[in-house]
Order: sequence, then structure tokens, then C-alpha cells
Amino acid sequence: GAVVSQHPSRVICKSGTSVKIECRSLDFQATTMFWYRQFPKQSLMLMATSNEGSKATYEQGVEKDKFLINHASLTLSTLTVTSAHPEDSSFYICSATPGGSADTQYFGPGTRLTVL
Amino acid sequence: DAKTTQPPSMDCAEGRAANLPCNHSTISGNEYVYWYRQIHSQGPQYIIHGLKNNETNEMASLIITEDRKSSTLILPHATLRDTAVYYCIVRPPGGYQKVTFGTGTKLQVIP
Repeated sequence: GAVVSQHPSRVICKSGTSVKIECRSLDFQATTMFWYRQFPKQSLMLMATSNEGSKATYEQGVEKDKFLINHASLTLSTLTVTSAHPEDSSFYICSATPGGSADTQYFGPGTRLTVL
Repeated sequence: DAKTTQPPSMDCAEGRAANLPCNHSTISGNEYVYWYRQIHSQGPQYIIHGLKNNETNEMASLIITEDRKSSTLILPHATLRDTAVYYCIVRPPGGYQKVTFGTGTKLQVIP
């Protein structure tokens, strides 16, 4: 089956630092990947659509200068949380689509970010 | 994307079938019905999807009504490991299409 990985699985950082999260499609190529954020006891909220070789498309209310997305290859997208603050603490999840008739999205295991 | 409506929570006895309903009355003709589940502190797991016909795989069965305005996910023999939040989603085909999550159904499997 299609496998999506994320690294790291959890990270703790100090306020003001930047954190990079990687999302990889392990057994397929993905021209499009998606980044979600999930706060405790809430549903997943789409942050942005990551397109290989072009700029990401951000959802309304998501600061593109704070959440930098780079999709440099067909198997890797990165999300960098710049100048992180405690309110950025959340569960970040990526997804990717291997293609096919319905283009099922497969999700990574998530990255737990805690900003102190 | 068409919106979906799911009950916020359900209980099911271990070993019994779990039937999770979903209403999607505004679904468009080319939109698929997807089901995912999310176990605590993990990424969503794909379960099954369908367009018009009923579908079955090793995890579950998906029953879609003839008018496509609702569907039911069936876990034939629920186990404690099936305790999770189940999301019903409708989405057009295409890998670039966004997936919008609702609030889902919290399924609690009871011993």
C-alpha cells in the first residue's frame, strides 16, 4: 500500500526558534501533498497545498511567511514553522496521493510540535 | 466539497457489527465517498471509498444508497482496536483535490 512518513514524530523547541518537518512518500511519487494541523479534541484543518516545483497554496488565515512549505521533489515536502510560539504547538499531519481513478489520499503518522 | 453529517458518537459491543452512518445530500455526480479513521495521536488511516456501488475490502464494507445521498460504513466484527474517530468525506477525483474533514463519529467499542 501507499506509505507516507513524517520526521520527526515529535519535537520540542524553544519559543522563537524554527522547526522543520519532513513529509515523504515512500513508495510513490506525489506532485501534490497537503499539510494539516490538528489541535486537541478538534478535527484536522487544512493549512496548505504543496505543489512540486511551484509555490504552495495556503488556506485562508494561514500565514505563508510563518509556515514555509517547500516541495522540492516528487517524494518530499517540508513544512518549516518559523519563529515558533507556544500557540503553534499542535499536531501537524501531511498527506499525499499516489494517483489512480479516485486519487486516494494517504496520511502520514503526524508530528507533535511542542513550543516552550 | 459536499458537506457530510455524522453522529458525534456511537458505542458498539466487541464482536458485533458497527454501522456508522453518513449523510451527504448535496453530493455531486463525480464525487467519491471516502472513509478514514483516526486513532488517538495518529494520522488518519484510509479505510474504503466508493462512487456508486457498494464496496468491500479486508477492513470494512461501504453501502451507498441508490440516490447517493447517504452511506454506511460497516465494520463486521468490531474489536477494541477499532475504537477511533471515523470521518466520512466526499471529494471529486483528482490528486490535487483538497480533503475537508468534518467532526466525524467517535466510535467506542465496548468489551
